[in-house]
Amino acid sequence: GAVVSQHPSWVICKSGTSVKIECRSLDFQATTMFWYRQFPKQSLMLMATSNEGSKATYEQGVEKDKFLINHASLTLSTLTVTSAHPEDSSFYICSARDPTSTRGRQETQYFGPGTRLLVL
Amino acid sequence: AQKVTQAQTEISVVEKEDVTLDCVYETRDTTYYLFWYKQPPSGELVFLIRRNSFDEQNEISGRYSWNFQKSTSSFNFTITASQVVDSAVYFCALSEARRSGANSKLTFGKGITLSVRP
Repeated sequence: GAVVSQHPSWVICKSGTSVKIECRSLDFQATTMFWYRQFPKQSLMLMATSNEGSKATYEQGVEKDKFLINHASLTLSTLTVTSAHPEDSSFYICSARDPTSTRGRQETQYFGPGTRLLVL
Repeated sequence: AQKVTQAQTEISVVEKEDVTLDCVYETRDTTYYLFWYKQPPSGELVFLIRRNSFDEQNEISGRYSWNFQKSTSSFNFTITASQVVDSAVYFCALSEARRSGANSKLTFGKGITLSVRP
């Protein structure tokens, strides 16, 4: 399957600082990437869909100015948590699809290893 | 609206037992995809299987097997002879089938925590 990496895997920051998380597709070009948030013992919640070369599409209730998404290249999307607060502490995970795959494989989302954010 | 229900929240079995994880879905689409993902304690979601709504053939991959029943809108996952390494959270997910290149969102179930004891 396709490989997606995420960096950093862990980040601890002070309240009020901004944190940038990178999501990379390593062996394919991803025109679309997805950003999820997961609280302990809960399911994944889609935050936004990141489209290469255009603005991200945010889900209802997700603050665009709080969670800045940039998809500047076909292999990299970044999520910046601006002015982070303790309630932003969570597990953030990205995924990507390989649009060139055939026979339905392009529908499969491959996930990165996730980033655990702790805001003090 | 799409919905995925994983009624079981936690399952505990002893190693070598067989275990079935249930998944029931709702969708108005005639064409869709179903998925199972495994999330071990490390957190990464591992893709296990994708099933097209037109393909009701059951699939077996080693100790894993999947039973897709369109008539009951279910896509159940069975692990045969479970092992400790199977301990993880398992998510069932559903997406619409769109034109290639268009954005299709995944709708996840709440996940089932499977604990396999030695």
